[in-house]
Amino acid sequence: EVQLVESGGGLVQPGRSLRLSCAASGFNIDQYGLNWVRQRPGRGLEWVAHISWNSNAIVYADSVKGRFTISRDNAKNSMYLQMNSLRPEDTAFYYCTKDPVGTGDWYFDLWGRGTLVSVSS
Amino acid sequence: DIRMTQSPSTLSASVGDRVTITCRASQSVSKWLAWYQQKPGEAPKLLIYEASKLKNGVPSRFSGSGSGTEFTLTISSLQPDDLGTYYCQHYSNYRTFGQGTKVEIK
Repeated sequence: EVQLVESGGGLVQPGRSLRLSCAASGFNIDQYGLNWVRQRPGRGLEWVAHISWNSNAIVYADSVKGRFTISRDNAKNSMYLQMNSLRPEDTAFYYCTKDPVGTGDWYFDLWGRGTLVSVSS
Repeated sequence: DIRMTQSPSTLSASVGDRVTITCRASQSVSKWLAWYQQKPGEAPKLLIYEASKLKNGVPSRFSGSGSGTEFTLTISSLQPDDLGTYYCQHYSNYRTFGQGTKVEIK
């Protein structure tokens, strides 16, 4: 089955760090761009970060620029999000998503089920 | 940044009704628009891309139209399984979502 599975979410204090992982199965990620998209509780969707198939193109939303780092390991069929200096407003479900091609701005043709990050003291 | 505005925010319709959701962009996004369905407690799923292309496996009662700054998602005959929130998303330059339209069944 083609799927994306996120892990690493949890409760963390403001100012601390957390690392999310996204494991793909049923397909090889090495041809596709990948992203993180988040959804604050009861709110809409916000694209957070993109990494191209070869990691040459990395783009962040202004809301996380300088604090979050996206990376990938094609050999492990996985993607990551290192989140530093977390703020209460970063509390959200974080979804791993796949693009239909390797780079550029596209729609998200596959979504994981999400992992919840809660930032609170 | 391109802003996406959906209307209505909520709609309530009966099974079998024709339902239309509108998405407007603050500037032209050409045909680079997608629609997603999010059922309660689930992740979003892609329904339509490039404004009008139906993803494989999506029921044919869903259709999309429009270009430039105005787009519509139509459900030709609302079914109980269509309950959820629908989002538009442009991918013209970066990516931005609309705020969502919650569809309720009367």
